[in-house]
Amino acid sequence: NAGVMQNPRHLVRRRGQEARLRCSPMKGHSHVYWYRQLPEEGLKFMVYLQKENIIDESGMPKERFSAEFPKEGPSILRIQQVVRGDSAAYFCASSVLGGDHSPLHFGNGTRLTVT
Amino acid sequence: AQKITQTQPGMFVQEKEAVTLDCTYDTSDPSYGLFWYKQPSSGEMIFLIYQGSYDQQNATEGRYSLNFQKARKSANLVISASQLGDSAMYFCAMSSGAGSYQLTFGKGTKLSVIP
Repeated sequence: NAGVMQNPRHLVRRRGQEARLRCSPMKGHSHVYWYRQLPEEGLKFMVYLQKENIIDESGMPKERFSAEFPKEGPSILRIQQVVRGDSAAYFCASSVLGGDHSPLHFGNGTRLTVT
Repeated sequence: AQKITQTQPGMFVQEKEAVTLDCTYDTSDPSYGLFWYKQPSSGEMIFLIYQGSYDQQNATEGRYSLNFQKARKSANLVISASQLGDSAMYFCAMSSGAGSYQLTFGKGTKLSVIP
């Protein structure tokens, strides 16, 4: 049973370009979470999605960042017009249920570098 | 507001010895979960162990155990018989209350196992 799959593993973008990060949840999981890890920090919550719905985006910057989890296909975290401060590791996790203190199992992350 | 504090930026332990990584938490919710994750230099986040606030027994998973002291609001991770492969960053995290799908992470402790 494959775990949470994220791609690409590494992504390099120039300032002003767009970054698209993909996350395929574990089979049977309909809840997806995105977290960001800045250097020397722990992970910080960004957004929680269920299929076709954003449940909580309180941790996501209001501008340039968006997330979706379509009926078919992976969840996408999209960062438009990237800046150097967006350089970080972005982790995705999934779960069968949401909000029940179940442990989250993360993917291997996407390391975004903005040059 | 939830908060996780890890006061040890770095720790050293001799191979085959036991080590305790400290974690204190703050929440006003009676229902919460406590987690430990390991992040090796390769970058992935590996779930280690979980403790629920209502669990009577301390959680154990192989060489990992969680020393849960509710009155002191501490959830220390004990690793027994350290191995070289245990060298990594270790993060304590908590979920609580209505936003229980959100994990709040500490800043981490870097563990180095000495041969």
